[in-house]
Amino acid sequence: DIQMTQSPSSLSASVGDTVTITCRSSQYISNYLNWYQQIPGRAPKLLIYGISTLQSGVPSRFSGSGSGTDFTLTISSLQPEDSATYYCQHSYTVPLTFGGGTKVQIK
Amino acid sequence: EVQLVESGGGLVQPGGSLRLSCAASGFTFNTYWMHWVRQAPGKGLVWVSRINYDASSITYADSVQDRFTVSRDNANDTLYLQMNGLRLEDTAVYYCARGSQRGYEDYWGQGALVTVSS
Repeated sequence: DIQMTQSPSSLSASVGDTVTITCRSSQYISNYLNWYQQIPGRAPKLLIYGISTLQSGVPSRFSGSGSGTDFTLTISSLQPEDSATYYCQHSYTVPLTFGGGTKVQIK
Repeated sequence: EVQLVESGGGLVQPGGSLRLSCAASGFTFNTYWMHWVRQAPGKGLVWVSRINYDASSITYADSVQDRFTVSRDNANDTLYLQMNGLRLEDTAVYYCARGSQRGYEDYWGQGALVTVSS
């Protein structure tokens, strides 16, 4: 199985800051890399698919980049409503696997 | 508007069975893959299973293989997860989700809590 490793596991930042979350896959996954946001008590929500394509309705302050095995989610100008846990996921093959999550807290 | 509504969760003893349902609306159900993903209390997301449009292709995570069975009723736009031989470690919120051509899940239900306890 392909392992997905996220870092950091948690971070705290202020409103307006730029936040970066990294995700590494244990093997090549082409562009089958996706990001989800989960607000406590809510279902996950798709943010980005195919490394960098924003899902409809997702604010443009969210962006994704990377290639091969190393990927990044960036939140520019952090907002209070961005307080959540973020998960990367590969969909290259089954089983699909998620990273361990990054909890973003607002200072 | 795409909607996915799970039902059937509850408390079950170890070794017991439970069937989850997921009622879909707002899209053409029989043209989409469907997935189940679970989340143990305070833990991360774990993919469980997926089924293609006509149930001709079904895949499970190793942890549930031979115990769980996914199925779908395209006439009634409903996805199912039959869970047998439940274990303590199966305790989780179970989400149904719509699958895309590229494998990611683009819409999720609100989840159904399954608690396995004696």
